[in-house]
Amino acid sequence: GAGVSQSPRYKVAKRGQDVALRCDPISGHVSLFWYQQALGQGPEFLTYFQNEAQLDKSGLPSDRFFAERPEGSVSTLKIQRTQQEDSAVYLCASSSRTGDPTDTQYFGPGTRLTVL
Amino acid sequence: SQELEQSPQSLIVQEGKNLTINCTSSKTLYGLYWYKQKYGEGLIFLMMLQKGGEEKSHEKITAKLDEKKQQSSLHITASQPSHAGIYLCGALTTSGTYKYIFGTGTRLKVLA
Repeated sequence: GAGVSQSPRYKVAKRGQDVALRCDPISGHVSLFWYQQALGQGPEFLTYFQNEAQLDKSGLPSDRFFAERPEGSVSTLKIQRTQQEDSAVYLCASSSRTGDPTDTQYFGPGTRLTVL
Repeated sequence: SQELEQSPQSLIVQEGKNLTINCTSSKTLYGLYWYKQKYGEGLIFLMMLQKGGEEKSHEKITAKLDEKKQQSSLHITASQPSHAGIYLCGALTTSGTYKYIFGTGTRLKVLA
């Protein structure tokens, strides 16, 4: 597709359930980012991939959060044993055909996760 | 993260009025990006600034990056209801490694 797509758009989980959020980046983009956006706040960085390599995961809030991009294209963010504080919009962005860190990031529509 | 401060937090203007949103960092910015977000949607890229003193315009929106590359402003001329939304500044900074940060956003409402 022409832009970044994410699925599902909405996810409701019971506390303790595991969830998996998918991101399809723009074709050919080397860099892929995950962000968490709480209500009324700006996005907070979670993790960054360059191709299949996870170069920075310093923003992942706990070891319940795990991200992968095994073939350097589609990425999945997994949250195990969800907690209410995990409720947020999870945004995926992709950028750069060269890996230049200054290249603009293009965002998907996000997945709104609600943990009951 | 409050490393990138945006002001004002919210803004209500009458259609046709001009307005300015500011974004300030305590660190040197290697890239400054302006986005617009509507409720429940992703971020739509508006403009990117890299060089000190740089200014870019798109339709009625102009963004500037100051000479020291630590502050940017977004100016909308003759605002319209279609300009309503949340404006976010994002930045690439570095403290050893590259770091991507965002401001908390400015919520703009334009009254017809």
